[in-house]
Amino acid sequence: EPEVTQTPSHQVTQMGQEVILRCVPISNHLYFYWYRQILGQKVEFLVSFYNNEISEKSEIFDDQFSVERPDGSNFTLKIRSTKLEDSAMYFCASSEMQVSYEQYFGPGTRLTVT
Amino acid sequence: ILNVEQSPQSLHVQEGDSTNFTCSFPSSNFYALHWYRWETAKSPEALFVMTLNGDEKKKGRISATLNTKEGYSYLYIKGSQPEDSATYLCAFIGEVQGAQKLVFGQGTRLTINP
Repeated sequence: EPEVTQTPSHQVTQMGQEVILRCVPISNHLYFYWYRQILGQKVEFLVSFYNNEISEKSEIFDDQFSVERPDGSNFTLKIRSTKLEDSAMYFCASSEMQVSYEQYFGPGTRLTVT
Repeated sequence: ILNVEQSPQSLHVQEGDSTNFTCSFPSSNFYALHWYRWETAKSPEALFVMTLNGDEKKKGRISATLNTKEGYSYLYIKGSQPEDSATYLCAFIGEVQGAQKLVFGQGTRLTINP
C-alpha cells in the first residue's frame, strides 16, 4: 500500500541553524501539507501546496518557513533560522484532491532545537 | 478563530463495551470534517471524511455521525477491542474569507482495558 514517508525521523539542531525536513508524498497525489504538533498541544496546520505553489498557509507559517517540491517527488519544509519554540513533531500529508479530501500522513519528524 | 473541541480528553473503557466521544466545531462556514485514528508511534490514519449534514459513516465497528447545524460529530465504537486503543482526532475544515482552513481538535485518548 502506498504511503507517505518522511526523513529524518529525528533531527537535533542548534538554535539559529537552518533545517530541511523531507517528505515523499504518495505519487498520484496532488495536494501536500505540513502540520506540526508541539508536545502536549494540538496538531496545527502550517501550509498546503498545490501545483507548485502555496495554496494556504497559517499564521504560524511566517518568513522563517518555506516549502518546495524540488524534483517532482520530494516535498520539503525549510526552517531558516530555528528557534527553541520550533521544537515539535512535523507531519507531512498528501491527498488526491483538496484539503477536504482524505489526507494520508507520514510518520513525522521530531525536531529538537537546542 | 475557529475553535474545535473534543470531549472527553481521555477515556478508559472495558474490552467489549461500546463507547462514543464528541467533536464540537463552529456551525457556520462548514466545509468538511475528518476523523483520524492515531496510534502511538504511528501516523494519523484517516477514518472518515464527512461533508453533509446528517451524514453517517461506518467502518467495521466504528461509525460517525455529523450535525453541521448544531456543530458536532460523534464517533462510536461498538464492542471495543484492545487494538482500538489510540488517540482519535477530528479536524474541522471551514471557509474563512474565501479560504479553506483546517483546525484539529486536541484529541480523545482512548484506552481499552482487557
